[in-house]
Amino acid sequence: EAQVTQNPRYLITVTGKKLTVTCSQNMNHEYMSWYRQDPGLGLRQIYYSMNVEVTDKGDVPEGYKVSRKEKRNFPLILESPSPNQTSLYFCASSSESGSSYEQYFGPGTRLTVT
Amino acid sequence: QKEVEQNSGPLSVPEGAIASLNCTYSDRVSQSFFWYRQYSGKSPELIMSIYSNGDKEDGRFTAQLNKASQYVSLLIRDSQPSDSATYLCAVNSSGYTGANSKLTFGKGITLSVRP
Repeated sequence: EAQVTQNPRYLITVTGKKLTVTCSQNMNHEYMSWYRQDPGLGLRQIYYSMNVEVTDKGDVPEGYKVSRKEKRNFPLILESPSPNQTSLYFCASSSESGSSYEQYFGPGTRLTVT
Repeated sequence: QKEVEQNSGPLSVPEGAIASLNCTYSDRVSQSFFWYRQYSGKSPELIMSIYSNGDKEDGRFTAQLNKASQYVSLLIRDSQPSDSATYLCAVNSSGYTGANSKLTFGKGITLSVRP
């Protein structure tokens, strides 16, 4: 089954404690992205990657890091989380081949930073 | 700053009516346009994509694109209670029709279909 998986699905942590949210896709997609979703602000892109070792900032990259060492994985790293990073996070992937450019979204990770 | 604006909601329509959702975008080079549906607590799912001016129909859904006026809309005919969700407009602002490495989303509009 084609899918994007994220782990963990729920995470409560404290300010300053480094964390990583993993994202993996099994569709051999070149493109992967991270978004955060906040009430009243909608979905905002944090970082995206066009292929292995190629990443770029989205609209709200401050406080986040990413890496793309393998095509299927695109982890999101919060080196020193702060309460304003409490949000719902989505990973997504897409391909440029074929006739559809649909972004497939993962199930989401709800992060709370206290 | 590239912007995607959706008309403020929430929108409430009776079952069987037509729901009309509108979206405008600021970047003239945008080439790809998408409507996503998001149920509460779930991830967004693509319901329509459109790349050329005009209408595109898929079942009860019709997407309309007007690049000169920079707007894209979604019509839902014969609305059902199961259509109650938040609808997100998304625009590929990379300047070419292709993969969505740079998608900008609107804030979404919540649709409620009354039985």
